[in-house]
Amino acid sequence: GEKVEQHESTLSVREGDSAVINCTYTDTASSYFPWYKQEAGKGLHFVIDIRSNVDRKQSQRLIVLLDKKAKRFSLHITATQPEDSAIYFCAASMDSNYQLIWGSGTKLIIKP
Amino acid sequence: EAAVTQSPRNKVAVTGGKVTLSCNQTNNHNNMYWYRQDTGHGLRLIHYSYGAGSTEKGDIPDGYKASRPSQENFSLILELATPSQTSVYFCASGDSSQNTLYFGAGTRLSVL
Repeated sequence: GEKVEQHESTLSVREGDSAVINCTYTDTASSYFPWYKQEAGKGLHFVIDIRSNVDRKQSQRLIVLLDKKAKRFSLHITATQPEDSAIYFCAASMDSNYQLIWGSGTKLIIKP
Repeated sequence: EAAVTQSPRNKVAVTGGKVTLSCNQTNNHNNMYWYRQDTGHGLRLIHYSYGAGSTEKGDIPDGYKASRPSQENFSLILELATPSQTSVYFCASGDSSQNTLYFGAGTRLSVL
């Protein structure tokens, strides 16, 4: 079955710099790739997603890139701020929520 | 804002005891999900539901039952709790027409 790997378990960047979190997937049939953010002691909430018909999507300071050939997608957070500190999860599916396969999470630390 | 409420937030149970985790959503979403979150594993799907009266097995259903008595409520039941079920459990809801999941704040379960 599908496997999603999230390569960085922890990422530390200086405030104002960019952060990049990378994920890879195994199933070429996957077509939907969301990202969720989990702040300390809270549930996850959706931040951005990308579908396989595009290779780039931007929402304010968040950019998602999708490389279907390499089966890789990444979340770029530009001009990082302290409130970006959280655990970020990537996921992949064939477009149905119940088939979401999750990465193991990346803890992003924003240093002053 | 979509609302998913889990109770209890923390629970300590004894091995062999029965545990019921409750989830209530006010989003009028058809789909509801139970996940567990363990370090290094990301989120793993236990059970899900398409609507009142429906429950489906997820990726790791063994040792768990689910109940969806109404659109709003979805419970996860551990009939005979074991220490391996110590984890953080998240409930989520979602609409069939969009892919975004809305998560509760989680239940931390310790089985001693």
